[in-house]
Amino acid sequence: NAGVTQTPKFQVLKTGQSMTLQCAQDMNHNSMYWYRQDPGMGLRLIYYSASEGTTDKGEVPNGYNVSRLNKREFSLRLESAAPSQTSVYFCASLQESTQHFGDGTRLSIL
Amino acid sequence: AQKVTQAQTEISVVEKEDVTLDCVYETRDTTYYLFWYKQPPSGELVFLIRRNSFDEQNEISGRYSWNFQKSTSSFNFTITASQVVDSAVYFCALSSNAGGTSYGKLTFGQGTILTVHP
Repeated sequence: NAGVTQTPKFQVLKTGQSMTLQCAQDMNHNSMYWYRQDPGMGLRLIYYSASEGTTDKGEVPNGYNVSRLNKREFSLRLESAAPSQTSVYFCASLQESTQHFGDGTRLSIL
Repeated sequence: AQKVTQAQTEISVVEKEDVTLDCVYETRDTTYYLFWYKQPPSGELVFLIRRNSFDEQNEISGRYSWNFQKSTSSFNFTITASQVVDSAVYFCALSSNAGGTSYGKLTFGQGTILTVHP
């Protein structure tokens, strides 16, 4: 899907476990994003990275950390998962003012 | 602050009917982009259209058309002669330039679930 790859596609965690969601794009884009999608709320921005080596908080950053170690990859980490973080997570990269999304990661926290 | 409102939570139509999905936005910026994305039952997000704030021309792409009116801060989406394959969640989104510091961040509406019955 437009060169943005997310892994894994599905994951079930127990409360308190940690996990890293991976995202990679092969289009040499500078900016990358992480969103979460919850029913009735659309997508909300968690963190974004305007360029390699920089990251900034979005609308709902609490409980998450991110890493942009190189231009291709932008990972999202849950240090201590909580049931409220059950959601579908989307990664995106920016091409000419338009964001293109990965296929999403469905994460359930029990 | 930016805001996108899609007042229609769910719409149900019969195949071949025309349907319009409403989108109203709020922003203080003069330069911004508006988008529509489609999310079919398989879950991925598919980009449909981008419109910048200086271009109020309506656009048509096959059975899809978009009506952008700055005077009412609306960017509505019409599907003509709907088909079952149009069943999906549709999201309207806004990205403002914010002096060049917004880095393309999107503000999404809540989404409209469209169901097209055969």
